[in-house]
Amino acid sequence: GQQLNQSPQSMFIQEGEDVSMNCTSSSIFNTWLWYKQDPGEGPVLLIALYKAGELTSNGRLTAQFGITRKDSFLNISASIPSDVGIYFCAGQEGSQGNLIFGKGTKLSVKP
Amino acid sequence: KAGVTQTPRYLIKTRGQQVTLSCSPISGHRSVSWYQQTPGQGLQFLFEYFSETQRNKGNFPGRFSGRQFSNSRSEMNVSTLELGDSALYLCASRRDRGGIGYTFGSGTRLTVV
Repeated sequence: GQQLNQSPQSMFIQEGEDVSMNCTSSSIFNTWLWYKQDPGEGPVLLIALYKAGELTSNGRLTAQFGITRKDSFLNISASIPSDVGIYFCAGQEGSQGNLIFGKGTKLSVKP
Repeated sequence: KAGVTQTPRYLIKTRGQQVTLSCSPISGHRSVSWYQQTPGQGLQFLFEYFSETQRNKGNFPGRFSGRQFSNSRSEMNVSTLELGDSALYLCASRRDRGGIGYTFGSGTRLTVV
C-alpha cells in the first residue's frame, strides 16, 4: 500500500533554532497536510497544500508542496518550547480520499 | 463551535470482550473517519462514513466495524478484542465537498489486558 516516508524521526534542538522536516511518497497526492500532535490529544491541522510548488506560511511555519506532488517539507523558524510535539505529514488522494500519514517527527526543544 | 467529541477518553477491556467507541463530529460536518494510532504503526485509516454510508475502508479485519447515524454521530465497534488492539483511536470529521483537511478529536485510549 501507499506509504509516506517522513524524516527525521526525532529532533533535539535549542530554543531559537530553525527546524526542517520532510516527507516523501512513492505516489502522487492532490493534497498535502501537516499536523501537530500534543501528548494526549489528537492531531491539529497546521498547514494544507493544494498545488504543486505551492509555498504556504502560517506564522513561524512554512510548508511547500513538491513539484512532483510526491514530497513536501515543513520549516519552523525560531523554535520555542511550545513547538514540542509530534509533527505528521499526510497525503490525500482527490477531494474525498482518506489520509495517508507519515510516521511522524518528534520535536524536542531545549530552553 | 464545539470540536470533535470522543467518548470515553480511556477504556480498559479484557481480551475477548467487545468495545464500542463514540464520536460526535463538528456541527455541520457529515464525513467522519476513524484512525488507529499505535507507536509501531503510526496512524492507520480504519474507515470513513458519509451520510450513514461507509465510503472508504482501510485494511483492518472484520472485527472492526462502524456505523453513522442520521445526526452524523458515529460509533466504531471492535469485537473479540486482542492485545494488539490496544491503541489510541481517533475520530476525525470534515465538511466534505471542499472541506479543508480533517479535524480530529482527542481520541479514546483503549487498553486490552
